[in-house]
Amino acid sequence: DVVMTQSPLSLPVTLGQPASISCRSSQSLVHSDGNTYLNWFQQRPGQSPRRLIYKISNRDSGVPDRFSGSGSATDFTLKISRVEAEDVGVYYCMQGTHWPYTFGQGTRLEIK
Amino acid sequence: EVQVVESGGGLVQPGGSLRLSCSASGFAFSTYPMDWFRQAPGKELEYVSAISSNGGSTYYADSVKGRFTISRDNSKNTLYLQMISLRAEDTAVYYCVRSKSWDYWGQGTLVTVSS
Repeated sequence: DVVMTQSPLSLPVTLGQPASISCRSSQSLVHSDGNTYLNWFQQRPGQSPRRLIYKISNRDSGVPDRFSGSGSATDFTLKISRVEAEDVGVYYCMQGTHWPYTFGQGTRLEIK
Repeated sequence: EVQVVESGGGLVQPGGSLRLSCSASGFAFSTYPMDWFRQAPGKELEYVSAISSNGGSTYYADSVKGRFTISRDNSKNTLYLQMISLRAEDTAVYYCVRSKSWDYWGQGTLVTVSS
């Protein structure tokens, strides 16, 4: 199975400051169809996961533009340019290239 | 509006069975492969099972292989997960999601395996 490793696992951030989460995969996530199925999800306390970013860098509808995704092959990053209170929660990267699809351990973002 | 609504969870004793359902609306259900995920309390998300759009192909995580069966009824826009020989470690919220997009998540249904 592809192992997804996130860091940090805990991320205290001051309101208005930037935040960055790293996600590394144990093998390349480039699919034979040419796509890289690397997604980022946000899970607010008590809520279901919400997809923020798909295929590395495509922001979902309704997702604020302070969220951005980047990376390639095995190394990916989610950035929040200015953290707001509503961003508190757990962030997961997920690969959908290799079966079985796997998630990172999650990064808990909290306000400092 | 795309919606998926999971149901069928509950409290069951170890070794027991449950059948989860997922009712989909707002999209062409029969054209999408579908996935089941789960999340144990306080834990990360875990992939459970997948099914192709016509139901002809199915996939299972090693942790549930031989105990869970995924199926679908495209005439009813419904996805199922039959679970037998349940264990304490199957306790989780179960979600159904459109595969390859993973864009719409329901509220999930809680399965608790406990005596």
